[in-house]
Amino acid sequence: KAGVTQTPRYLIKTRGQQVTLSCSPISGHRSVSWYQQTPGQGLQFLFEYFSETQRNKGNFPGRFSGRQFSNSRSEMNVSTLELGDSALYLCASSWGHEDMETQYFGPGTRLLVL
Amino acid sequence: GQQLNQSPQSMFIQEGEDVSMNCTSSSIFNTWLWYKQDPGEGPVLLIALYKAGELTSNGRLTAQFGITRKDSFLNISASIPSDVGIYFCAGRDGTGGFKTIFGAGTRLFVKA
Repeated sequence: KAGVTQTPRYLIKTRGQQVTLSCSPISGHRSVSWYQQTPGQGLQFLFEYFSETQRNKGNFPGRFSGRQFSNSRSEMNVSTLELGDSALYLCASSWGHEDMETQYFGPGTRLLVL
Repeated sequence: GQQLNQSPQSMFIQEGEDVSMNCTSSSIFNTWLWYKQDPGEGPVLLIALYKAGELTSNGRLTAQFGITRKDSFLNISASIPSDVGIYFCAGRDGTGGFKTIFGAGTRLFVKA
C-alpha cells in the first residue's frame, strides 16, 4: 500500500506570494491533518479534514486555509507569505477520526520563503 | 494554551545503553503518543497510550501513561545506532479530534 504522498517536496517562494501544497492520503483513508514544523515552534497542528469537512483548526491566522476533495486528497493554501512561514509542512492521514486510530505522516513539503 | 515539556532536549549515549525521556503537560490528556522522526521524513508512531497508568511495550521501547494524565515517559533499552533520531511526545485532550500537541523533541545520538 502506498504511503502518504505530498507534493511538491521542496518549494521556494517570495514574501507576499501565495502557495498551495497537496497531500494524497493512503488509499481508503478519509481523514487528513496538516501540521507545520519549524525549529523554533516545533510541530504545530494546523487543521484536520474528514469527509470534505474541516473538523478542527489550530491557532494559525486566516492566511492558512485548506480543503479536502471527495477522493480524500487535501490541499492547504497559504496566502501573502511571510518569512516566518518557512517550514516543513506535514500531512497525516488515517482511516477515520476516532481517537484510537493511527495517523500516518507523509514526508512533508519543505517551504522556503525569501 | 496547552504545552508539553519534553526532556532532555538531546542525549549522547553509547550503543547498548538504556535511554529514558519524558514529557509533562500543563493540562490533562486522554491520549499520549510517542513518535520518531528521521531526517527528511515525517514522524512515525512508536507507541500510543490511551489509559492512565497504561504501560505498553513495542520491542525495545516501553512507554507509560502517567497516573495524573499529565505526564508520560519513553524508555529505550539496549540502544543501537539506528535508534538515532528525534523522538517526540504528543498528546490529545479528547476535545479536538486529532488536534495533537507535540513536545519539542529529544534528539538522540548513539555512538557505536
